[in-house]
Amino acid sequence: GQNIDQPTEMTATEGAIVQINCTYQTSGFNGLFWYQQHAGEAPTFLSYNVLDGLEEKGRFSSFLSRSKGYSYLLLKELQMKDSASYLCAVRDRGANNLFFGTGTRLTVIP
Amino acid sequence: NAGVTQTPKFRILKIGQSMTLQCAQDMNHNYMYWYRQDPGMGLKLIYYSVGAGITDKGEVPNGYNVSRSTTEDFPLRLELAAPSQTSVYFCASSLVGRGSNQPQHFGDGTRLSIL
Repeated sequence: GQNIDQPTEMTATEGAIVQINCTYQTSGFNGLFWYQQHAGEAPTFLSYNVLDGLEEKGRFSSFLSRSKGYSYLLLKELQMKDSASYLCAVRDRGANNLFFGTGTRLTVIP
Repeated sequence: NAGVTQTPKFRILKIGQSMTLQCAQDMNHNYMYWYRQDPGMGLKLIYYSVGAGITDKGEVPNGYNVSRSTTEDFPLRLELAAPSQTSVYFCASSLVGRGSNQPQHFGDGTRLSIL
């Protein structure tokens, strides 16, 4: 089975840095994805990790530790438009199916 | 290049009615998926397809059916609508599949209410 945990809500200040954690327990692991979802909209892809370490993409970075079943998404220089839900999803080894956490709703305040 | 297109965007059904949610992609992706997202919850996989003519159940398939007669289209059928099927439904597609770093691309969703 799959178990993916994320904090439900976070609040951070414009211009600051925020780290959103994700822990997972899976029967098989074949990669971890982060998606951003604005209210009432579709999820959009942010990052992908399959090996341990940090992947950087502009203001967003994602880290993975497979031995600890742990990932985080780091958002730098926060902007008001970053207010959204951030979904952690683990891909099963047997197929290309994703198992999603419940998402972390981030609110950026002035 | 429209990506993943879902219709309708909104629908209200009465209990026991049936309907088909349409999904089409123009990216020549081989994998397609249907998810439902309930308020405050993560996406749950209903059905998926690895190519035309091949479909398989996800986590929550009960009450739904799918077909995949072409690469582009992947409709989701509700035969006897129940209040528990009130949700937002997302269709997604991806290229290649297993072992790939290609992400899933999502449609804008269909908001379905069963009353």
